Amino acid sequence: DTGVSQDPRHKITKRGQNVTFRCDPISEHNRLYWYRQTLGQGPEFLTYFQNEAQLEKSRLLSDRFSAERPKGSFSTLEIQRTEQGDSAMYLCASSLGGGGNQPQHFGDGTRLSIL
Amino acid sequence: QQQVKQSPQSLIVQKGGISIINCAYENTAFDYFPWYQQFPGKGPALLIAIRPDVSEKKEGRFTISFNKSAKQFSLHIMDSQPGDSATYFCAASYNNNDMRFGAGTRLTVKP
Repeated sequence: DTGVSQDPRHKITKRGQNVTFRCDPISEHNRLYWYRQTLGQGPEFLTYFQNEAQLEKSRLLSDRFSAERPKGSFSTLEIQRTEQGDSAMYLCASSLGGGGNQPQHFGDGTRLSIL
Repeated sequence: QQQVKQSPQSLIVQKGGISIINCAYENTAFDYFPWYQQFPGKGPALLIAIRPDVSEKKEGRFTISFNKSAKQFSLHIMDSQPGDSATYFCAASYNNNDMRFGAGTRLTVKP
């Protein structure tokens, strides 16, 4: 169990640029979640996958955001035409499945800073 | 999106004391209530969790108390240590779908 891995750890970009983050879940975990955390706040749910199927998307996930999990393993989160308000920590979590008693394990996040 | 209210926002406790953090939720469909601990620059780490059919769960120095009728649950940290200084988040979910987090409590344990 190597834990949830996220890459890059930090990303600085200019407003209007596109960025892509990657998440590698714990192996054999079929659920993968994306959250966003701003300073001084708790994580906010963005979307989650069951294997390769994206099952739920938050209203926070605007049209500029897209997430994929093509083979049911790693996932990518892309933000197009970044805005100042996108500056946040983007967290990925994975779990063994649905239902209670299946904890979500988090990675250490990608911190995005928009100049 | 917040359906979980957490208090206090910050807490200062002396070493060896008891830290108590409270949360209240709205959605009675929630069936899983975890607590996470987060250090600066790190992701949240699961500390302890409870289901609504149990009123209390204890793991080492950490205890969750759950009051289903009041829709409240709390985290007690016994014998608090300086190494416990971190931000703590309560959370709630239904069927392990989207997790709703509280706003966090910054705990400082003074030596």
